[in-house]
Amino acid sequence: QQQVKQSPQSLIVQKGGISIINCAYENTAFDYFPWYQQFPGKGPALLIAIRPDVSEKKEGRFTISFNKSAKQFSLHIMDSQPGDSATYFCAARNLDYKLSFGAGTTVTVRA
Amino acid sequence: DTEVTQTPKHLVMGMTNKKSLKCEQHMGHRAMYWYKQKAKKPPELMFVYSYEKLSINESVPSRFSPECPNSSLLNLHLHALQPEDSALYLCASSHGVEQLNQPQHFGDGTRLSIL
Repeated sequence: QQQVKQSPQSLIVQKGGISIINCAYENTAFDYFPWYQQFPGKGPALLIAIRPDVSEKKEGRFTISFNKSAKQFSLHIMDSQPGDSATYFCAARNLDYKLSFGAGTTVTVRA
Repeated sequence: DTEVTQTPKHLVMGMTNKKSLKCEQHMGHRAMYWYKQKAKKPPELMFVYSYEKLSINESVPSRFSPECPNSSLLNLHLHALQPEDSALYLCASSHGVEQLNQPQHFGDGTRLSIL
């Protein structure tokens, strides 16, 4: 049973547009929420991460919004570029220190 | 380039072969992980080593045997694998299993094909 639900499965955005990926969870014991970016043939690379006591974190064009009461968090990619085309995974860390991953979102940025 | 180095990048083996996957990190991390990733799926945790001791085994079949010779190295020994074991095998490391806000850093994986 997937503990972190991620949507959409895929999205297409025009260059310069905003990509939004959403994740939801039920387990209130999760204490750390990283996002990973994965290109074909490569391993996942940490993109940005947030703790549940923070509502928003921004790094460059990437922003995480976190809604603790709704148990939802999302990744916004501003000014999307073709180089952002990749698969994005949200994740959540449990008390047993394991990461639960979302199913992944394939982002395609059209030039 | 990632700071977690995995070798080989690609491996093709028959079901009766014995091979090993290697992982190395020099970030001083004390936790190391093996994951299996199938195409278009998220990584699935297999094993966790904390301070060179096996702390988590996610009920992985015994044909996969992990080994942590020292704090920088992690091996995965393979024997009598099945075709369904074909996947990308990822190694990751972090400062410590229990440390908050310490992300896992992944290598680029070994693409394993079982004939």
